[in-house]
Amino acid sequence: EAQVTQNPRYLITVTGKKLTVTCSQNMNHEYMSWYRQDPGLGLRQIYYSMNVEVTDKGDVPEGYKVSRKEKRNFPLILESPSPNQTSLYFCASADRGETQYFGPGTRLLVL
Amino acid sequence: GENVEQHPSTLSVQEGDSAVIKCTYSDSASNYFPWYKQELGKRPQLIIDIRSNVGEKKDQRIAVTLNKTAKHFSLHITETQPEDSAVYFCAAIGLTGGGNKLTFGTGTQLKVEL
Repeated sequence: EAQVTQNPRYLITVTGKKLTVTCSQNMNHEYMSWYRQDPGLGLRQIYYSMNVEVTDKGDVPEGYKVSRKEKRNFPLILESPSPNQTSLYFCASADRGETQYFGPGTRLLVL
Repeated sequence: GENVEQHPSTLSVQEGDSAVIKCTYSDSASNYFPWYKQELGKRPQLIIDIRSNVGEKKDQRIAVTLNKTAKHFSLHITETQPEDSAVYFCAAIGLTGGGNKLTFGTGTQLKVEL
């Protein structure tokens, strides 16, 4: 089954404690992306990757890092989480120029 | 970069009525416009899309229209049903990011009342 998976689905952490949210797709898509969703602000892009070892900033990259060492995986790293990073996070993947398929989401609470 | 504005932010209709959500975009080079539906607690899912070489596309009760000159596109839902209640997002894909940068509108909360 074609899918995008994320882990964990729910995470409660404390300020400053490094965390990683994993994202994996099995559709051989070149393009992957991370979004955060906040009430009233819609979906905002954090980082995206056009292919292995190619990443670039989206609209709200501050406080986040990503890596793309393999085509199927695109982890999101918060090196020192802060409360303003409390949000719902979605990973997505796509073929070039085509629509994006979203993972199930990761709900993060930073205390 | 691309900027997508979406209106209204909330929309309440009676079951069986039509619902219309409108979006405008800023980048005249944008060429692909998907619409996503997001039910409470779930991921956004594509419901319909339109490319810049087409003015209208229909899929059962859902249709999308595109006016490239005015840089706006709209989602039309006819004969609304309670299961249509959700948040709807429009989006535009521009040339930034190799043709995959998806910019979203801020969403419309549609409520279909019995």
